[in-house]
Amino acid sequence: DTGVSQDPRHKITKRGQNVTFRCDPISEHNRLYWYRQTLGQGPEFLTYFQNEAQLEKSRLLSDRFSAERPKGSFSTLEIQRTEQGDSAMYLCASSLEGRQETQYFGPGTRLLVL
Amino acid sequence: KQEVTQIPAALSVPEGENLVLNCSFTDSAIYNLQWFRQDPGKGLTSLLLIQSSQREQTSGRLNASLDKSSGRSTLYIAASQPGDSATYLCAALSYNTDKLIFGTGTRLQVFP
Repeated sequence: DTGVSQDPRHKITKRGQNVTFRCDPISEHNRLYWYRQTLGQGPEFLTYFQNEAQLEKSRLLSDRFSAERPKGSFSTLEIQRTEQGDSAMYLCASSLEGRQETQYFGPGTRLLVL
Repeated sequence: KQEVTQIPAALSVPEGENLVLNCSFTDSAIYNLQWFRQDPGKGLTSLLLIQSSQREQTSGRLNASLDKSSGRSTLYIAASQPGDSATYLCAALSYNTDKLIFGTGTRLQVFP
C-alpha cells in the first residue's frame, strides 16, 4: 500500500474560479478526513466520512465548500467561487474505524488563490 | 471547547542535545493524544499515539508522556540529529468528537 495520496499537489487559481481536489485513502480505511492548514498554524478539521456517509462538518466549511465520497473510497473536496482567504494547504487523512486508530495523512494540496 | 497550545513555537539546538517539546490542552476529557512530524511543505507523519489510559509511549529516540490531570503532554527527543529538523505538532482527540484538535506546532532546527 502506498499510503494516502492527494491530487493535485499544487493548484494556482484566480479568485472566483472553482477548484476540486481528490484524496485516495489507504485502501482498507473506511474513515476519511479533510483538514485545512494555513501558514504557521496547525491543521483545522473540515469534515470527515465513514464509508460514504459524511458524519461531521466544521463551521469552517462554508456553503462554498462541498465534499463527497460517493463509493466510500476516494473523496473530492470542491471549493466554489474561490477567495484569497481560501489559500492554504488542504490535507486528507484516513484511518480504520475506531477512535483508537491513528490517522494517516497525505502530502496535501497547496492552493493559492490570486 | 478544546484548545491545544504548544511551547516553544521554535527551538534551535546543536546536534546531540536531548530536548523536550511541550503540549497543553484545556479539556482533560481526551480519548488520546498524538504527536506528528511535518517537514516543510509536506503532510504529517504520525510519531506516537498515547491512549488516555496510558502514561507514555516510546519509539526509538522519541518518548511521549501524557498527564491528563494537568492537561499536558511532552515529547522527549534523545540525542537530536539534523534529520530531526521539522515542525512537531500535537493533536488531541476528545470524547465528544471524532476530530483531532491540533496545536500550532514547534519548529525545531538541529544544527551540526
